[in-house]
Amino acid sequence: DSGVTQTPKHLITATGQRVTLRCSPRSGDLSVYWYQQSLDQGLQFLIQYYNGEERAKGNILERFSAQQFPDLHSELNLSSLELGDSALYFCASHLESEQYFGPGTRLTVT
Amino acid sequence: GQNIDQPTEMTATEGAIVQINCTYQTSGFNGLFWYQQHAGEAPTFLSYNVLDGLEEKGRFSSFLSRSKGYSYLLLKELQMKDSASYLCAVRDSNYQLIWGAGTKLIIKP
Repeated sequence: DSGVTQTPKHLITATGQRVTLRCSPRSGDLSVYWYQQSLDQGLQFLIQYYNGEERAKGNILERFSAQQFPDLHSELNLSSLELGDSALYFCASHLESEQYFGPGTRLTVT
Repeated sequence: GQNIDQPTEMTATEGAIVQINCTYQTSGFNGLFWYQQHAGEAPTFLSYNVLDGLEEKGRFSSFLSRSKGYSYLLLKELQMKDSASYLCAVRDSNYQLIWGAGTKLIIKP
């Protein structure tokens, strides 16, 4: 158990819909990273937050947005969903060196 | 641009040794990480190298040569449970992680 939690574990929705994925970092970690991993693909970095502020942006689509709240949990919002958005979405947190990953949310868009 | 290269797939035999290579070109260097990821699961941290040389941790070792932009992960006494993808990631000058696409390791009996 990495100490990073993500909900929900699975999500099935239709094209055009909007969903929110939630992540709580390890106790004491200020950074949250969001990644997308499509089937048999590598990890694609989406966005990083540090103590409530956006720190870095990767290949995040304009239809996607995120925020980190004062209690340090983070939400990733995905809107106008397309079939190609079906993927595993991971969040990770770290304090100093290595990142610790949550179990992921598997999103299926039908 | 920034780039990390790893073989896409490797096959090895149970009980044997396998070396997974990683070469990188990044804007600065602040450490190299190896992660293991079983299918459908989250990546888990294996090793971290920031200085040249070999870091050993049980059956797994990781080597780094900063001048060559090169690292390898060595897995000894392979077990069936080692079948997984192995991800190489480099932390650049902005302390951002640049990820390789991963190497899928298949272990055969």
